[in-house]
Amino acid sequence: GQQLNQSPQSMFIQEGEDVSMNCTSSSIFNTWLWYKQDPGEGPVLLIALYKAGELTSNGRLTAQFGITRKDSFLNISASIPSDVGIYFCAGPKNYGGSQGNLIFGKGTKLSVKP
Amino acid sequence: DAGVTQSPTHLIKTRGQQVTLRCSPKSGHDTVSWYQQALGQGPQFIFQYYEEEERQRGNFPDRFSGHQFPNYSSELNVNALLLGDSALYLCASSLGGDGQETQYFGPGTRLLVL
Repeated sequence: GQQLNQSPQSMFIQEGEDVSMNCTSSSIFNTWLWYKQDPGEGPVLLIALYKAGELTSNGRLTAQFGITRKDSFLNISASIPSDVGIYFCAGPKNYGGSQGNLIFGKGTKLSVKP
Repeated sequence: DAGVTQSPTHLIKTRGQQVTLRCSPKSGHDTVSWYQQALGQGPQFIFQYYEEEERQRGNFPDRFSGHQFPNYSSELNVNALLLGDSALYLCASSLGGDGQETQYFGPGTRLLVL
């Protein structure tokens, strides 16, 4: 079945550093989504990508839809403490031509370097 | 403009009991999806409701059932609770249902089964 593999599983950041994480799949996805989840909250959509090769920015965040449609990456530039949280990639599972439910990766946990 | 709301926020049940979780979608949204998020994992799709009918279903047993009301709010029912049902249950709402719409998540209900 369709699965999403995220790496790294966790990383530590120091304020001001750039961060990079990615998501891969053995299946093709037509849409890639990146969510952030803070403790005690539901996931919040950061960036949505709809075309292979698409590069989209949202403030300090930049995400790309891989050309093979089997991967995506998310970059955070000049990280700040509030970037801490868990980042999930997700893509819609196809059901008979209609896309609906989302498949999520296991997440990349971003923590502050002690 | 109220976002997605869920109740209760926390719940403790014992094995074999039944539970009902509630979700009110974001204003103007007509589609509700339910996800189960185990600790350290990404959310997993349970089912989606549109026009008061279950439209799609993930790989969950019949013990998981739901309902959508005319005002688009929704309930998730779980019968014969197992210890493994302990998780954060997330509701997401969206508009339309062609699959490209953005899903907005609520804060979740944390269920503990003892």
